[in-house]
Amino acid sequence: KAGVTQTPRYLIKTRGQQVTLSCSPISGHRSVSWYQQTPGQGLQFLFEYFSETQRNKGNFPGRFSGRQFSNSRSEMNVSTLELGDSALYLCASSLGLAGYTDTQYFGPGTRLTVL
Amino acid sequence: AQTVTQSQPEMSVQEAETVTLSCTYDTSENNYYLFWYKQPPSRQMILVIRQEAYKQQNATENRFSVNFQKAAKSFSLKISDSQLGDTAMYFCAFTMLYGGSQGNLIFGKGTKLSVKP
Repeated sequence: KAGVTQTPRYLIKTRGQQVTLSCSPISGHRSVSWYQQTPGQGLQFLFEYFSETQRNKGNFPGRFSGRQFSNSRSEMNVSTLELGDSALYLCASSLGLAGYTDTQYFGPGTRLTVL
Repeated sequence: AQTVTQSQPEMSVQEAETVTLSCTYDTSENNYYLFWYKQPPSRQMILVIRQEAYKQQNATENRFSVNFQKAAKSFSLKISDSQLGDTAMYFCAFTMLYGGSQGNLIFGKGTKLSVKP
């Protein structure tokens, strides 16, 4: 079974631009979560989507948004980029079902650099 | 709020020896899950081991085992017969149930483990 894939792997943008990152979950997984990883703040939860609905959200500004499609693929968008948005963005997928011991499986990440 | 603390930023171990990574967490919940993830220099985060809080028996996966002390809110990872490929950042993570489903992962800051030949 193919793992979680993320595209692109690397991005360089300038301040003020916007960016869209993509994540394809493991086949059969309906939950997709996004995390931001930086040296200073570590791994922080952005949001989770399940069946095309945002089910959970972390403490990030509204410039960070996401969506999920009917095939469970997810995108996250960051508008008006700031230098501090430079990070590794990780996507994780899981079954997302209630009453089930679930595990999140991570993709390789997208390295975003904002200049 | 739930927090996860890894008190050892860096550790090193000789190949074939045993090393233990520490993790403590803070929660008032009774039903939760704990994980250890490994992130090698290639950056792919990989699940090492998982523990359900309702299970008293410590989880084991080959050379990896945990010491789960629920009352002390401690969840340490023991790596036996360390191998060069174990060199990585190790993250302890916690999640609770929300409406019956597992919520987001809350991570510790990580422990950088170096296995020396």
